[in-house]
Amino acid sequence: GENVEQHPSTLSVQEGDSAVIKCTYSDSASNYFPWYKQELGKGPQLIIDIRSNVGEKKDQRIAVTLNKTAKHFSLHITETQPEDSAVYFCAARDSNYQLIWGAGTKLIIKP
Amino acid sequence: NAGVTQTPKFQVLKTGQSMTLQCAQDMNHNSMYWYRQDPGMGLRLIYYSASEGTTDKGEVPNGYNVSRLNKREFSLRLESAAPSQTSVYFCASRLTGGTDTQYFGPGTRLTVL
Repeated sequence: GENVEQHPSTLSVQEGDSAVIKCTYSDSASNYFPWYKQELGKGPQLIIDIRSNVGEKKDQRIAVTLNKTAKHFSLHITETQPEDSAVYFCAARDSNYQLIWGAGTKLIIKP
Repeated sequence: NAGVTQTPKFQVLKTGQSMTLQCAQDMNHNSMYWYRQDPGMGLRLIYYSASEGTTDKGEVPNGYNVSRLNKREFSLRLESAAPSQTSVYFCASRLTGGTDTQYFGPGTRLTVL
């Protein structure tokens, strides 16, 4: 079945710098890749997603890139702000149409 | 519009006790999900319901049962709680045929002693 690996587990960046979180997946048939943000004490919330027919998608300071050949996708956050501090999860949709999740990345924005 | 609500927020059980976690959504979504979240392991699907009257096992169903009571409500039952079931439980819902976005509740933190 599908397996998703996410790196790094913790990422600390200076406010204003960029942050990059990477995920790899195992099932070449996967075609949908969302990213969720989880703030402390809350449930995850979708921030951006990408489908396999697109290589890149951008929404203001957030972008996601997908390399189907290498089976990896990445989240890019530019001009980081204190409110970007959270845990970020990547996921890939498997053949049963369910999401398989990465282990999460704790992003720390240093003032 | 409350979105997805879960009760209780916190619960402590002794080994062998039973309990039901409640979830309700007011977005008229077809699909509902139960996940557990453990440190360093992301979210793992326990059970899901693609529509009222149907339920299916996810990745980690052992020790759990679910009921899709109606379109709004999806409950998760632990018949005989074990320490390995200590976790944070999230309910989510999605509009089938709409976007693929899953909307999550605030979670239930369960400790089994």
